[in-house]
Amino acid sequence: NAGVTQTPKFQVLKTGQSMTLQCAQDMNHNSMYWYRQDPGMGLRLIYYSASEGTTDKGEVPNGYNVSRLNKREFSLRLESAAPSQTSVYFCASSENGRGINEQFFGPGTRLTVL
Amino acid sequence: KQEVTQIPAALSVPEGENLVLNCSFTDSAIYNLQWFRQDPGKGLTSLLLIQSSQREQTSGRLNASLDKSSGRSTLYIAASQPGDSATYLCGVAGNTPLVFGKGTRLSVIA
Repeated sequence: NAGVTQTPKFQVLKTGQSMTLQCAQDMNHNSMYWYRQDPGMGLRLIYYSASEGTTDKGEVPNGYNVSRLNKREFSLRLESAAPSQTSVYFCASSENGRGINEQFFGPGTRLTVL
Repeated sequence: KQEVTQIPAALSVPEGENLVLNCSFTDSAIYNLQWFRQDPGKGLTSLLLIQSSQREQTSGRLNASLDKSSGRSTLYIAASQPGDSATYLCGVAGNTPLVFGKGTRLSVIA
């Protein structure tokens, strides 16, 4: 039982490049979330998916797109990376949406944009 | 808009001491509050979840309380150990998924 897994663990991009961060959970949870963590800013919600087939914007969605591929997988895409997107990205899941239930986090992806 | 504040930002205590971490929030219309632990370079580990209808939750040496009307929660750690050194985050769930404070960085000195 792996919980929430994220790939890659580390990534370096040049400005303007694109990439997709992958997230998967094996807990049969309905809801999944993407956060970014920056020094001095704490964790901020980028996008979330309350259930398969739905996605909603969080606090800082600009520059990102998401896809809820199926119940297990929720990906985050940077179409044209900018240095301001240098951050640690965390994926999380919960049984149901809006944080009603306990959230479980993945180990994170550390992204540097040069 | 929900705002979450954690005080103090950093705390250093000798081993064996009992300590309290604080979390305050501005909007009392919440579903729950969750306390997490984060070790350097790692993800978040859930410690305790308190539903809005509950007053406290306990797990081992940890006890979390919730006073929704005053917008406050405390995490009490009994008999602290060096292994408790980490950053502790509180997250509040209401009309939006979890809104986090910036955390309290705890160092327990042997």
